Amino acid sequence: LAKTTQPISMDSYEGQEVNITCSHNNIATNDYITWYQQFPSQGPRFIIQGYKTKVTNEVASLFIPADRKSSTLSLPRVSLSDTAVYYCLVGVLNNAGNMLTFGGGTRLMVKP
Amino acid sequence: KAGVTQTPRYLIKTRGQQVTLSCSPISGHRSVSWYQQTPGQGLQFLFEYFSETQRNKGNFPGRFSGRQFSNSRSEMNVSTLELGDSALYLCASSPTGTSGHNEQFFGPGTRLTVL
Repeated sequence: LAKTTQPISMDSYEGQEVNITCSHNNIATNDYITWYQQFPSQGPRFIIQGYKTKVTNEVASLFIPADRKSSTLSLPRVSLSDTAVYYCLVGVLNNAGNMLTFGGGTRLMVKP
Repeated sequence: KAGVTQTPRYLIKTRGQQVTLSCSPISGHRSVSWYQQTPGQGLQFLFEYFSETQRNKGNFPGRFSGRQFSNSRSEMNVSTLELGDSALYLCASSPTGTSGHNEQFFGPGTRLTVL
């Protein structure tokens, strides 16, 4: 069974850059890699999505190597409000089609 | 635009009962996906519906089923509830589906407790 793995937790300080890596060995050839942020008692919220190389938006960057078996979410200059759980999401082909698989989530704690 | 709405927000059932959860996607979105979130298993994909057809399916038993209506609203049903079905059930909508370049918008979830 395909596994999508991430570190369970990370600590950082305000103003630092945080990099969270997700391993996804069995990603479907045509599928994108998406990262979400989740606060307690809320549904996940989209952060960034990419297929290969590097993608940047106003809140984060996403680095994807050529083999696409991993990806790294980069959060520049984190603040206390970035304390949340971060999930990667990839599609993996199964018998029923494209099964979306979340990583286990990385709990980021930003300290003052 | 209104976001994804889920009803009810909280539900308590007993073992053996069945339950139906409802999701209303963002207006214009044709894809609705369902996820189960538990502390032990994390976020797990249940299934995706697009234009009233199930398009993708996760590894859940047949007790978990769903459907989508012509207005894109979706329902999820769980029959013969087990204690392990206690979870937060999340619904997400997207314009064209979960494959490829598509952002999903999640609702707040329905918290199901099975006693």
